[in-house]
Amino acid sequence: SQTIHQWPATLVQPVGSPLSLECTVEGTSNPNLYWYRQAAGRGLQLLFYSIGIDQISSEVPQNLSASRPQDRQFILSSKKLLLSDSGFYLCAWKMGGSTDTQYFGPGTRLTVL
Amino acid sequence: GDSVTQMEGPVTLSEEAFLTINCTYTATGYPSLFWYVQYPGEGLQLLLKATKADDKGSNKGFEATYRKETTSFHLEKGSVQVSDSAVYFCALSDLNGGRRALTFGSGTRLQVQP
Repeated sequence: SQTIHQWPATLVQPVGSPLSLECTVEGTSNPNLYWYRQAAGRGLQLLFYSIGIDQISSEVPQNLSASRPQDRQFILSSKKLLLSDSGFYLCAWKMGGSTDTQYFGPGTRLTVL
Repeated sequence: GDSVTQMEGPVTLSEEAFLTINCTYTATGYPSLFWYVQYPGEGLQLLLKATKADDKGSNKGFEATYRKETTSFHLEKGSVQVSDSAVYFCALSDLNGGRRALTFGSGTRLQVQP
């Protein structure tokens, strides 16, 4: 069966510091991968999606970036965090092709002070 | 573009009460519709889905019917339990290109009291 991991689970970072969040998927090959952000009391905002290694699409211009160095690894980064980057970051995957269902990881809660 | 509108919460119910959480959508194509649930401090779990008009998705006593004529996908449960307390998200699949991203509603918090 497939599983998705995210780490760290929680993170507290000062403004201006760098960020690296990691997501890995097990038990499947060539998944579509997604990064979402959930601000406090809000819905989910799609940040990035990837249909293959080194194939990243950005949904919202911002100071975040994403990379996919391996088939089942998806990394969210920032060079300098802003206060507005605080939130709950969720990674998700789905099978490639026409299937629609996405499966989510446990999330990373980021607090920028 | 595509959008999903959910009723605002929180919804507070007593145990064994009937639950309805309204969800309506706007889409240009024929999306699949989903309900996800988020328990405190956790990621989202797929609760149920429906892929075409008049389909009924069901799971754990929850159900929702894809109503194309009213563009709705309301979530219902006949008798809620304290363990159902969570945030519920309605979502639709985005058919643009190959990304198949999900468009989410803002979520509805359900609080069930014993």
